[in-house]
Amino acid sequence: EPEVTQTPSHQVTQMGQEVILRCVPISNHLYFYWYRQILGQKVEFLVSFYNNEISEKSEIFDDQFSVERPDGSNFTLKIRSTKLEDSAMYFCASWSYEQYFGPGTRLTVT
Amino acid sequence: SQKIEQNSEALNIQEGKTATLTCNYTNYSPAYLQWYRQDPGRGPVFLLLIRENEKEKRKERLKVTFDTTLKQSLFHITASQPADSATYLCALDGNYGQNFVFGPGTRLSVLP
Repeated sequence: EPEVTQTPSHQVTQMGQEVILRCVPISNHLYFYWYRQILGQKVEFLVSFYNNEISEKSEIFDDQFSVERPDGSNFTLKIRSTKLEDSAMYFCASWSYEQYFGPGTRLTVT
Repeated sequence: SQKIEQNSEALNIQEGKTATLTCNYTNYSPAYLQWYRQDPGRGPVFLLLIRENEKEKRKERLKVTFDTTLKQSLFHITASQPADSATYLCALDGNYGQNFVFGPGTRLSVLP
């Protein structure tokens, strides 16, 4: 069965540092996404990516965030200058009428 | 503003009974509505998708209904088992896959 993979599973960083979260989505899917989930809260949409460009983004996805699909398989989320409130579980997903989520990266900003 | 509510934060039922979870939304016209299962510390797992022009969908012990007039979806698990204990999320798409908005989830506990 196809699956979405994410690395690392846990990332600890200091406030103000840049982090890159990596994902390998299901290659023949149409859309790729990043979501975040703060502990105990709901899953929040960040951004969708279609045909190698951003399709839609939420208010959370400000100038500190960027996404790339550098090589046709990886899909990355970069946070330029992390803040304490960026601490959350970040999920990558891909969709072709069924949405498959990766296992997540737990980001801890200290 | 758009709002998605799920009937209760937590639901306890006895094994073998049917669990019914509710998802209500306002200020939204979703093309699709999806249900997911999420276990602690894990990513959501897709269960069922129902389109705006469909009334009901079934998959094994799962059944979803979608009433666009009431702006409500019901999710049923029949013959529930302790292994069904998890948080169940509904998610609405308003733009044909470009974004999905998730509800807060209902934590289901099936008691043996």
